[in-house]
Amino acid sequence: GAVVSQHPSRVICKSGTSVKIECRSLDFQATTMFWYRQFPKQSLMLMATSNEGSKATYEQGVEKDKFLINHASLTLSTLTVTSAHPEDSSFYICSANGGGSRTNEKLFFGSGTQLSVL
Amino acid sequence: DAKTTQPNSMESNEEEPVHLPCNHSTISGTDYIHWYRQLPSQGPEYVIHGLTSNVNNRMASLAIAEDRKSSTLILHRATLRDAAVYYCILRDGRGGANSKLTFGKGITLSVRP
Repeated sequence: GAVVSQHPSRVICKSGTSVKIECRSLDFQATTMFWYRQFPKQSLMLMATSNEGSKATYEQGVEKDKFLINHASLTLSTLTVTSAHPEDSSFYICSANGGGSRTNEKLFFGSGTQLSVL
Repeated sequence: DAKTTQPNSMESNEEEPVHLPCNHSTISGTDYIHWYRQLPSQGPEYVIHGLTSNVNNRMASLAIAEDRKSSTLILHRATLRDAAVYYCILRDGRGGANSKLTFGKGITLSVRP
């Protein structure tokens, strides 16, 4: 079945550094990917919608200059957390529409990236 | 986004059926009903989805009310590995691949051995 690979699974960084998270669709092309983050004991919060070859669409309250999204190919989207601070520590999750452009498709999720900023 | 309402939690016994309810009284005609589940420290996993008719797959069944204002996810025989947070989500059929999944709080299912 379709698989979304997310890397790294865990990252620890110093405050002020940037961290890049990769999300790959392994056996299908994903024109659209979604990025979520999740704080402990809370639900997933959508950050942005990433479209191949165009600028990402960010949800209200999400700083586009802080969370840089690049979707340069049909199988890869990246999220870069720039100048990370401790409050950016969270579980980041990507997802992709299952190989089609219709809404009647399931989403496949990566296994998530736990970011800890010291 | 149309919203869903789920109980906070539910307990079940291993090897017994589980019925997880979801209310979505403001659902529109183009909304698909999706269910995902999430185990601790993992990304969500697709369970099932439907529009109007009941759906079955190897994981579960989805029973959709005739007026579509509620649905029930049925796990036919719960196992310990089914313990997770289950999310009932409406996805707008008009948005194509860009249509978002907006997660609510979900229902936490506990399975007793």
